[in-house]
Amino acid sequence: DADVTQTPRNRITKTGKRIMLECSQTKGHDRMYWYRQDPGLGLRLIYYSFDVKDINKGEISDGYSVSRQAQAKFSLSLESAIPNQTALYFCATSDPGTGGYNEQFFGPGTRLTVL
Amino acid sequence: AQSVAQPEDQVNVAEGNPLTVKCTYSVSGNPYLFWYVQYPNRGLQFLLKYITGDNLVKGSYGFEAEFNKSQTSFHLKKPSALVSDSALYFCAVRDRGSTLGRLYFGRGTQLTVWP
Repeated sequence: DADVTQTPRNRITKTGKRIMLECSQTKGHDRMYWYRQDPGLGLRLIYYSFDVKDINKGEISDGYSVSRQAQAKFSLSLESAIPNQTALYFCATSDPGTGGYNEQFFGPGTRLTVL
Repeated sequence: AQSVAQPEDQVNVAEGNPLTVKCTYSVSGNPYLFWYVQYPNRGLQFLLKYITGDNLVKGSYGFEAEFNKSQTSFHLKKPSALVSDSALYFCAVRDRGSTLGRLYFGRGTQLTVWP
């Protein structure tokens, strides 16, 4: 979805390097999410943010940190990358709506390889 | 605890035949249920959702899903499969009573439609 963009789309790095993945959205949504996808494991939530001042850990936050620079920007950092962080990373956004049940919109993903 | 199970890693069907991709869920309260599709090298795209009301939900690309509360299932169906339907499908659930807005995803089912 062009409304949610991720940079870079592909990245190869070495163990121990610091990496930042960036997400921007033009949908005007307050809620933003970072997921990682591994084959056979589906999507697992790393961090999520319901507004600029709200950051929450997901189920697999160890080894990751995030920054919500603005409503439209949500960055994910790997402070010291390790090989088992090799995965496909997705950013997503949502608008809670009146009932809080609106769907999430996903970016195209960043394929990260840690050697 | 909230969880989603997609019991089949892979579903194969001939073009023109009906298809079913299975999903069962577990939530502490009443669920919001979603189906997403992922095409190669793309992010997840929303297909349909169940919030309340009619148990049969219609979505994009001719897909539909049936909510069955007694069986805690939300199977995705299409009357006549197309080769272009070949993709990875994810079921997701959210507890209606939760204020967090998090989605829990299944592991995904790879659908292959052969000509």
